[in-house]
Amino acid sequence: QVQLKESGPGLVQPSQTLSLTCTVSGLSLTSNSVSWIRQPPGKGLEWMGVIWSNGGTDYNSAIKSRLSISRDTSKSQVFLKMNSLQTEDTAMYFCARIGSGYRDFDYWGQGVMVTVSS
Amino acid sequence: DIQLTQSPSSMSASLGDRVSLTCQSSQGIGNYLSWYQHKPGKPPKPMIYYATNLADGVPSRFSGSRSGSDYSLTISSLESEDTAIYYCLQYDEYPYTFGAGTKLELK
Repeated sequence: QVQLKESGPGLVQPSQTLSLTCTVSGLSLTSNSVSWIRQPPGKGLEWMGVIWSNGGTDYNSAIKSRLSISRDTSKSQVFLKMNSLQTEDTAMYFCARIGSGYRDFDYWGQGVMVTVSS
Repeated sequence: DIQLTQSPSSMSASLGDRVSLTCQSSQGIGNYLSWYQHKPGKPPKPMIYYATNLADGVPSRFSGSRSGSDYSLTISSLESEDTAIYYCLQYDEYPYTFGAGTKLELK
């Protein structure tokens, strides 16, 4: 079955770079697209960006200058890198698959909590 | 960016009640609107996609509808397990955006 799992450091210092990995199983990244979504504590959900099945990417313009999404199809992994972290980047980070046809995010990882603090 | 306005921001209802949550879009998004149920410590759970389609495994008491730029999620008979925060999402235009959520509690 389709599964996604996020991993990465729980604590990052301000101004540093965040690196997260989304490892997928039960699907191929060459035929599936994956997004990153985050949720600061007590706040709503924010779509960050997507890597499409063809390897192309789209980002939320609000964070585009700091964000990069890439993948390693042979390892079934999607990567998120975001630089110049600030305390407001403290959040639960989720990866999610975009379903086919008219679907939205049909499978989600459990999420990884990232705290930005010195 | 497309703004999604959810109402109410919170509500309480009794077991067995019919409950309707609303999401209004600031621009036309067609049917590219979905609903998620979010409980603490878990990822958002897909409930409705493409405005009216029930996601896999979702009980039939849930339904979605659209009237112009207004979208609704309806629970025909509220059960205790339905208490959660419900978010709408538009995936018609970048950046995809979520509503602020409706917190649904039991009375």
